[in-house]
Amino acid sequence: EAGVVQSPRYKIIEKKQPVAFWCNPISGHNTLYWYRQNLGQGPELLIRYENEEAVDDSQLPKDRFSAERLKGVDSTLKIQPAELGDSAVYLCASSPLAGPNEQFFGPGTRLTVL
Amino acid sequence: AQSVTQLGSHVSVSEGALVLLRCNYSSSVPPYLFWYVQYPNQGLQLLLKYTTGATLVKGINGFEAEFKKSETSFHLTKPSAHMSDAAEYFCAVRLGDSSYKLIFGSGTRLLVRP
Repeated sequence: EAGVVQSPRYKIIEKKQPVAFWCNPISGHNTLYWYRQNLGQGPELLIRYENEEAVDDSQLPKDRFSAERLKGVDSTLKIQPAELGDSAVYLCASSPLAGPNEQFFGPGTRLTVL
Repeated sequence: AQSVTQLGSHVSVSEGALVLLRCNYSSSVPPYLFWYVQYPNQGLQLLLKYTTGATLVKGINGFEAEFKKSETSFHLTKPSAHMSDAAEYFCAVRLGDSSYKLIFGSGTRLLVRP
């Protein structure tokens, strides 16, 4: 079974530029999460989807961050414009239908903002 | 507020020695507790979890952890360290059966000396 796929794995941009990250969850997993992991810290939840619906986006900085999961499968997280403090690893995770099951993590996208 | 504290950002052991990684949590409801491992440039992989029942939990790669409610702890141990255990380890708490949110500690980097 294929795991959670994320791309790109690495991204370097200059501040004020836009950037997007893509995630394809494990097949059949209806719940999808985006996390941000700052250097030397644990991941922090940004947004959680149940199918197409963002059911918890309370930690998403909505002035510059946006996310979508149009068909309830893969998802895109966007930052526009990026700031220096956005440098981090962005992790995507998924879990099966129904209930707070184990979350399976992708390898992440390491973003560097110069 | 719920939180997770991992004592020691770095732990160094000799190959073959006991591994002990400490985790304390605070939670207003019975928690679900997790240990994840993260190898360089990879996503998080679940080592073990405690939900209910037996307080001593065995996981993959010879790791185990014991839930001690009176001490609000969930320390991770392995009797004999192997070079391949070198990685970052994260403790996480989920606030009971109805919660989806994982709250992570800041991580402990395990170094294994030959």
